[in-house]
Amino acid sequence: GNSVTQMEGPVTLSEEAFLTINCTYTATGYPSLFWYVQYPGEGLQLLLKATKADDKGSNKGFEATYRKETTSFHLEKGSVQVSDSAVYFCALGNAGKSTFGDGTTLTVKP
Amino acid sequence: GAVVSQHPSRVICKSGTSVKIECRSLDFQATTMFWYRQFPKQSLMLMATSNEGSKATYEQGVEKDKFLINHASLTLSTLTVTSAHPEDSSFYICSVRGEALPEQYFGPGTRLTVT
Repeated sequence: GNSVTQMEGPVTLSEEAFLTINCTYTATGYPSLFWYVQYPGEGLQLLLKATKADDKGSNKGFEATYRKETTSFHLEKGSVQVSDSAVYFCALGNAGKSTFGDGTTLTVKP
Repeated sequence: GAVVSQHPSRVICKSGTSVKIECRSLDFQATTMFWYRQFPKQSLMLMATSNEGSKATYEQGVEKDKFLINHASLTLSTLTVTSAHPEDSSFYICSVRGEALPEQYFGPGTRLTVT
């Protein structure tokens, strides 16, 4: 079956620090991979996606590369801001179904 | 991406009453809609998947007679929590997906509190 494992949080960083949130997956076939972000009290927003191996998704300074050989889709940002504080979910889409990781809470301090 | 609204954003109801939550896709024809439940500091739990004009497919452990889902059109789905109890208090989120698109677009969520 499909599963997503992401780095446990919470993660606390200082402003302008480098961010990595690890995500690995298991799936049959060729899934699409996503990162979603959830700000307090809100629903999820699609942050970025990659639909095939070696694709890089990027948005708002965040990046993630679909690595089939390591079954990973790690989220990175070179310099985080206080406004990036949120919960980040890694997810995969396969055969019409989506599977989400448990979420990683990021807090960025000024 | 698609714009998805939910109404109401917050609702408080008494135990034993029923509550209806609407999910609308404002600019997108949603062939598939999903309903999730999210507990504090936890991931999303998929409750059911619905395709327009068809009966919803419920996940294991979700009572279909308690959580009634109606996907009446390509832009509207409703979730009715019947005979609500305090343990039904949660954050309910809907999402939509279009044909041939792998990603989902989420509504802002509805905070349900049953007293």
